[in-house]
Amino acid sequence: AQSVAQPEDQVNVAEGNPLTVKCTYSVSGNPYLFWYVQYPNRGLQFLLKYITGDNLVKGSYGFEAEFNKSQTSFHLKKPSALVSDSALYFCAVNAGNNRKLIWGLGTSLAVNP
Amino acid sequence: NAGVTQTPKFQVLKTGQSMTLQCAQDMNHNSMYWYRQDPGMGLRLIYYSASEGTTDKGEVPNGYNVSRLNKREFSLRLESAAPSQTSVYFCASSEWIGSPYEQYFGPGTRLTVT
Repeated sequence: AQSVAQPEDQVNVAEGNPLTVKCTYSVSGNPYLFWYVQYPNRGLQFLLKYITGDNLVKGSYGFEAEFNKSQTSFHLKKPSALVSDSALYFCAVNAGNNRKLIWGLGTSLAVNP
Repeated sequence: NAGVTQTPKFQVLKTGQSMTLQCAQDMNHNSMYWYRQDPGMGLRLIYYSASEGTTDKGEVPNGYNVSRLNKREFSLRLESAAPSQTSVYFCASSEWIGSPYEQYFGPGTRLTVT
């Protein structure tokens, strides 16, 4: 069965430090991977996606993610965290032609001043 | 270009009442989705419509019905609301041309069933 795991419910990081939000997946077939962000009382916003090609994907707001096929991971990273990055982050995966995404449970990122 | 719009933003229902949540998108997307979001549960797919004229069940379809009225609009109906349906509901749309494109989300409807 296809699944996505975000192993950390919460990540705390100091402003200016690098941040990583982890995501691992289990699918049969080639995965299409996505990261979304949700600010309080808002809908989800797309950050970046991996479809094929370069394993390092750059997205909105200075975020990037690295696709690692051998470790079945797609971790979200940012070199220097901002307080305004504090939000809920979701990883999602699609494998196959079924038009649906499988979602992780989300990771709450808190960036402390 | 409003993206994905949802109405209403907030709703309080009594157990047994019915209501319809409306969703519309102006991006000419073929696929539309209804999710519910509950604390600690992430996003769960209720129903989706891969293209106009089709609808399919997601993970948690019980107690809900949907209508893909046209390419723009996808409504979600609760026929007899239950407290377990208290949640935040999100509509989303996306395109699919050989591979999945990102989903665009509406602002959500916060529903409380008492």
